[in-house]
Amino acid sequence: GESVGLHLPTLSVQEGDNSIINCAYSNSASDYFIWYKQESGKGPQFIIDIRSNMDKRQGQRVTVLLNKTVKHLSLQIAATQPGDSAVYFCAEKSLEGGGADGLTFGKGTHLIIQP
Amino acid sequence: NAGVTQTPKFRILKIGQSMTLQCAQDMNHNYMYWYRQDPGMGLKLIYYSVGAGITDKGEVPNGYNVSRSTTEDFPLRLELAAPSQTSVYFCASSYSGGQGAPEQYFGPGTRLTVT
Repeated sequence: GESVGLHLPTLSVQEGDNSIINCAYSNSASDYFIWYKQESGKGPQFIIDIRSNMDKRQGQRVTVLLNKTVKHLSLQIAATQPGDSAVYFCAEKSLEGGGADGLTFGKGTHLIIQP
Repeated sequence: NAGVTQTPKFRILKIGQSMTLQCAQDMNHNYMYWYRQDPGMGLKLIYYSVGAGITDKGEVPNGYNVSRSTTEDFPLRLELAAPSQTSVYFCASSYSGGQGAPEQYFGPGTRLTVT
């Protein structure tokens, strides 16, 4: 079936460096792509989303890039901080049928910030 | 606002026992969801609801039941617990409509072990 997956399970970066987390998706009918951050012992927390008709969206210290040609999504975190250590999930959502059904999540990338 | 709350935080069940995982939200969201997260994996949708009295199956509904008698509450029922249901369970809610508003708010999770 359709799925959303991540390239790397663990990413280790130096504090202050930029991080890039990648995600491949297979459902070309998705309307939204969303990044979630999950800290240990907590539920996922929304970071940023991008609509399928966009190729870039920026937030505070984060940028999401969408390449529909190769079905690739990335999350860039600028000047990483210790508080950025978490597991990051990409998820996709289709608005077909009103968009009531849930998100399809990828496996997750564990971002580790080295001091 | 408390957001999305879940009880209990932890539970150990014996095979064949039953239990109800509680979920409540105080944001007046119409849409509510139950996900499970197995170790090292992304979340998978169990059931969802678009409003009081309406529920629908997600990707992995077998072994679970839900009800939605009020807008605020969305309990998840396990009738005959099996080891395969050992997981962390997350409840989420979101605004209805879906257009431009895919953000789901997650609870802190219930960690369930079936032995």
